[in-house]
Amino acid sequence: AQSVSQHNHHVILSEAASLELGCNYSYGGTVNLFWYVQYPGQHLQLLLKYFSGDPLVKGIKGFEAEFIKSKFSFNLRKPSVQWSDTAEYFCAVNAFQAGTALIFGKGTTLSVSS
Amino acid sequence: DTEVTQTPKHLVMGMTNKKSLKCEQHMGHRAMYWYKQKAKKPPELMFVYSYEKLSINESVPSRFSPECPNSSLLNLHLHALQPEDSALYLCASSQDQGGLGAKNIQYFGAGTRLSVL
Repeated sequence: AQSVSQHNHHVILSEAASLELGCNYSYGGTVNLFWYVQYPGQHLQLLLKYFSGDPLVKGIKGFEAEFIKSKFSFNLRKPSVQWSDTAEYFCAVNAFQAGTALIFGKGTTLSVSS
Repeated sequence: DTEVTQTPKHLVMGMTNKKSLKCEQHMGHRAMYWYKQKAKKPPELMFVYSYEKLSINESVPSRFSPECPNSSLLNLHLHALQPEDSALYLCASSQDQGGLGAKNIQYFGAGTRLSVL
């Protein structure tokens, strides 16, 4: 079945460590890609998005993501995490093959220790 | 900050109660969504309204009944819920629905945390 996969279920880092969260999708054709973040007890916030153009997109709070079409991947990165980055991170895809519904990955819990 | 407002923030109800969740947006969006989210899980789509008409119902039990009185408001009426329906209920809106691009970016409300006793 077509899907969105986030390989890391729970990532634990110390402050100032670098972060990379993996996201792979299995839809062909045109896709729109998103990363959402959900801080403890808060709502889903859009971190960044990719529609077309430069495959390296920058989002809020120092996050960036790279779209690699050949690998069907959209990995999230941050050079130096902070304690306040502790949250749940969801990758999501809009694709014509999915009927354009927003398909979420299962999420990655990021815990950052100070 | 989110411009999708959900009320109430928390709701506790018994299995025989009838209650409603409300969602409001003033961004001029014409598509509105209800999602259900369990702890540490991704949101699951329940319903989609496009131009005030129900366009998607993801086989949700009839004890959940959506209503879209106008383009800014979305309600979810609850009746005879089960304890397993306890979850965070999220509302989202987008400028449009059914295509790709910026018009389909979904913006989420803070959610209503529902507990069914």
